[in-house]
Amino acid sequence: GQQVMQIPQYQHVQEGEDFTTYCNSSTTLSNIQWYKQRPGGHPVFLIQLVKSGEVKKQKRLTFQFGEAKKNSSLHITATQTTDVGTYFCAGEAGGSEKLVFGKGTKLTVNP
Amino acid sequence: SAVISQKPSRDICQRGTSLTIQCQVDSQVTMMFWYRQQPGQSLTLIATANQGSEATYESGFVIDKFPISRPNLTFSTLTVSNMSPEDSSIYLCSVERETQYFGPGTRLLVL
Repeated sequence: GQQVMQIPQYQHVQEGEDFTTYCNSSTTLSNIQWYKQRPGGHPVFLIQLVKSGEVKKQKRLTFQFGEAKKNSSLHITATQTTDVGTYFCAGEAGGSEKLVFGKGTKLTVNP
Repeated sequence: SAVISQKPSRDICQRGTSLTIQCQVDSQVTMMFWYRQQPGQSLTLIATANQGSEATYESGFVIDKFPISRPNLTFSTLTVSNMSPEDSSIYLCSVERETQYFGPGTRLLVL
């Protein structure tokens, strides 16, 4: 079945450093979504990428979808303590309305 | 967007007992999803709840263990039956409205 791998599992950074998490799917995706889960909270939708090679920005966050629509990345520039949480990618394969989640990257930011 | 509530928010249960979790959405949706998130882990889809038909279960999850009801387009329940400590998890319902929106989750501890 479809698998979504995400690395790294953990990332510790100093405030102000950049952070990147990578997501790779075993199958071609119709879209990929990114979620953030704060400690003790539930996943909150950040963005959806649909087009091959798509790049979207939200303030300090940059999301990319690979040309083959099998991989994606989330990059945070100049992290802040408010960025702390676990970032999940989730892929939706064509013809399926089910999301398959990656294992997530837990980000901690030292002030 | 979608506003989702879940009850109970948390519970501590004895092994061998059952717990029914309720999920209420603020407007009608076709499909509702039930996920499990074990401590420190990613989200795993348990089943898709469709109104007027049997729920569709993912591999590794069976109706006898996780019976689901979907009496109308705004409400669903998930029962965790004959619980064991391995069922200790966060259980989340979600709906899809272009993207997925998650409820706040039910934190279950089985002793």
